Amino acid sequence: DIQMTQSPSSLSASVGDRVTITCRASQTISSSLNWYQQKPGRAPKFLIFAASSLQSGVPSRFSGSGSGTDFTLTISSLQSEDFADYYCQQSYSTPLTFGGGTKVEIK
Amino acid sequence: QVQLQESGPGLVKPSGTLSLTCAVSGGSIISTNWWNWVRQPPGKGLEWVGKIYHSGDTKYNPSLKSRVTMSVDKSKNQFSLKLSSVTAADTAVYYCAREFARPFYFDTWGHGTLVTVSS
Repeated sequence: DIQMTQSPSSLSASVGDRVTITCRASQTISSSLNWYQQKPGRAPKFLIFAASSLQSGVPSRFSGSGSGTDFTLTISSLQSEDFADYYCQQSYSTPLTFGGGTKVEIK
Repeated sequence: QVQLQESGPGLVKPSGTLSLTCAVSGGSIISTNWWNWVRQPPGKGLEWVGKIYHSGDTKYNPSLKSRVTMSVDKSKNQFSLKLSSVTAADTAVYYCAREFARPFYFDTWGHGTLVTVSS
C-alpha cells in the first residue's frame, strides 16, 4: 500500500495568511495526487486533481504543486471560509489512500 | 448534475452485517466512472473501502477485503455495500462517491450516513 503522510496535522493561521500543507507519498505516484477540503459535518469537497489542476469553481487562491513523492497545497491568502480539514489522496494505485488530514484553524 | 444519496440502517449489532445503498440521480451508473465507498470514523480521517464498475468489476481495500461485498443494480441506478462481521471499529460515517476516470478523482460525494455498531 502507498502511505500518504501529511504535515502539519494542524495549524493556526489568520485571515490573509499564506498557508502551505505538504503531502508525501511512500513511493512515487507521478502526479496522481488529489486534494479535498472538508468542513465539520459535511462531505469532502474536491479541490485539485492531478497535483496541480484546479477543479472548476474553486477559488484561484488555492494551488497545488509537486510530482513523484512530494506535493504541496497552498492557500495564497486565507479566507474565513477556508478554515477546514484538508486531505490529500493518491489515485496511482489501489488501495486508494488518503493522508491523515490537516486541520486549519483560526489563530 | 449527478447526485448521490446513501441509505441504510444507522445501527448494526456487533458481528452483524452492515448494508448500505447509494442511489445515483441526475446521471446513469453506466458510465466510465467507478463508484466508491469511503468511510470516516468519528473524529478521524478518511479510509477507502472499495469501488465497483457498472460491469460488476470490483476493487476492495485489502484491510477489509474478506468482509466486503459490493454490487450494482443498473435497473435501479444504484450500488450497494455489505460489510460483514462488524465490530465497534466499523462505526463511521460512510460516504458513497463517484470516481471520475482519467485522471482519477472523487468528484461527487453523497452527504454521508453514520453507521454505529453497538448492541
